[in-house]
Amino acid sequence: NAGVTQTPKFQVLKTGQSMTLQCAQDMNHEYMSWYRQDPGMGLRLIHYSVGAGITDQGEVPNGYNVSRSTTEDFPLRLLSAAPSQTSVYFCASSYLSSTGSYGYTFGSGTRLTVV
Amino acid sequence: QQPVQSPQAVILREGEDAVINCSSSKALYSVHWYRQKHGEAPVFLMILLKGGEQKGHDKISASFNEKKQQSSLYLTASQLSYSGTYFCGTAVNNAGNMLTFGGGTRLMVKP
Repeated sequence: NAGVTQTPKFQVLKTGQSMTLQCAQDMNHEYMSWYRQDPGMGLRLIHYSVGAGITDQGEVPNGYNVSRSTTEDFPLRLLSAAPSQTSVYFCASSYLSSTGSYGYTFGSGTRLTVV
Repeated sequence: QQPVQSPQAVILREGEDAVINCSSSKALYSVHWYRQKHGEAPVFLMILLKGGEQKGHDKISASFNEKKQQSSLYLTASQLSYSGTYFCGTAVNNAGNMLTFGGGTRLMVKP
C-alpha cells in the first residue's frame, strides 16, 4: 500500500496563479483533511472531509477550495495564489473506529512558494 | 484555540528523560501525539481517549488528565532517534476527527 500520496512535492507559483495540490489514499479511509504548516509552527486545518461528497471548512479556509468526488482523492485548489499562502501543505487520512478515532496518516507534503 | 505545549524546546543527552506537556482550554475527547523530523511528515505516536488512560510505545508513554484537559508525553532513556519536533493534537469530539495542533516542542538528543 502506498498510504497517502501527495503531488507535487515542490511548487513555485506567481501571485495570482491558481493550482491544484493532489492527494490520494489507498487505505479506504473515510476522513481526509488538509493542513498547512508555517515555519516554526504547528499544523493548521484548512478543509476536511468525512466522506465522498462531504466537505467542510477548518480553521484557515480562505483562498482554498476542496472537493471529494471519490473516497480516494481529495484535491486542494488555490484560487488565486498569494505570498501568504507560502507554506508546506500536508494531506492526511484516517478512519473512525468503534473505540474512538485513529491517528492520522500524513502524506509527505507539498512545499509551496508564492512569489 | 490551539493547545499550548511546553517546553518549546529541550536538549537532552542520550539516556536522559524528558516530559512534554500539552494543555487545552477546551473539554477534550482525545489527545494525539506526533513526531516530525526535519523536512518530513508528522508520524503518529499514540492517541489517548478521555478516561485518563496512559499508553506506552517502546520507551515513550503518555497520560491524559481529563479533569485538567492536560496530556503529558514521557520519553524515557532517550535515544538519538527521538530527536524531532513533537506535536500534540486535540479533538473535542469523535465526530469529524478534526484535530487542533499545538505549536510543537523541539527535542534534540545529543550523544
